[in-house]
Amino acid sequence: AQSVAQPEDQVNVAEGNPLTVKCTYSVSGNPYLFWYVQYPNRGLQFLLKYITGDNLVKGSYGFEAEFNKSQTSFHLKKPSALVSDSALYFCAVRDLPSNTGKLIFGQGTTLQVKP
Amino acid sequence: DTGVSQDPRHKITKRGQNVTFRCDPISEHNRLYWYRQTLGQGPEFLTYFQNEAQLEKSRLLSDRFSAERPKGSFSTLEIQRTEQGDSAMYLCASRSGTGANEQFFGPGTRLTVL
Repeated sequence: AQSVAQPEDQVNVAEGNPLTVKCTYSVSGNPYLFWYVQYPNRGLQFLLKYITGDNLVKGSYGFEAEFNKSQTSFHLKKPSALVSDSALYFCAVRDLPSNTGKLIFGQGTTLQVKP
Repeated sequence: DTGVSQDPRHKITKRGQNVTFRCDPISEHNRLYWYRQTLGQGPEFLTYFQNEAQLEKSRLLSDRFSAERPKGSFSTLEIQRTEQGDSAMYLCASRSGTGANEQFFGPGTRLTVL
């Protein structure tokens, strides 16, 4: 079965420092990977995706993610964190055996950026 | 604002009552999804529509749940005889065509069953 794991419930980082939010996946075949962000009482906002091509994917709000096939990881990164980046982040993989495009989400990582 | 709207944003109901939620996707999107999110968890897939056809339902969708998309535009999710375990955020998402296009999520409907 396809799955996504986010090993950290919470990540704390100081404003201006680089941040990394970790994600590992388990799929059969080539993965379609996504990152979403959720602010309190809001829906999910799309940040970026990896389908094929360059392993470093750039997305919204200065975020990027690195696809690593050998480590089955898709970590979210940002060179310099902002307090406004504090939110809940979800990694997701498209459920390939299903042809519906439905997503399987990790349990989420809370990012706290302190001034 | 992603362009996907949901109504209501919040619903408080008593156990045993029926509730209905509405989702209006981005107009040109023919694919629509419902997910459920409980506290501290990621969203879990409930059901999928392509145009008006409901093509997949999760085992999470018990027979008390029914979803429709009558004209291939807006969708409704009804829960009959609500239980406290139904308390969750119900999220709707839509996307366009084929390929690996990302889904756009609405703000969600938070259901509290007392």
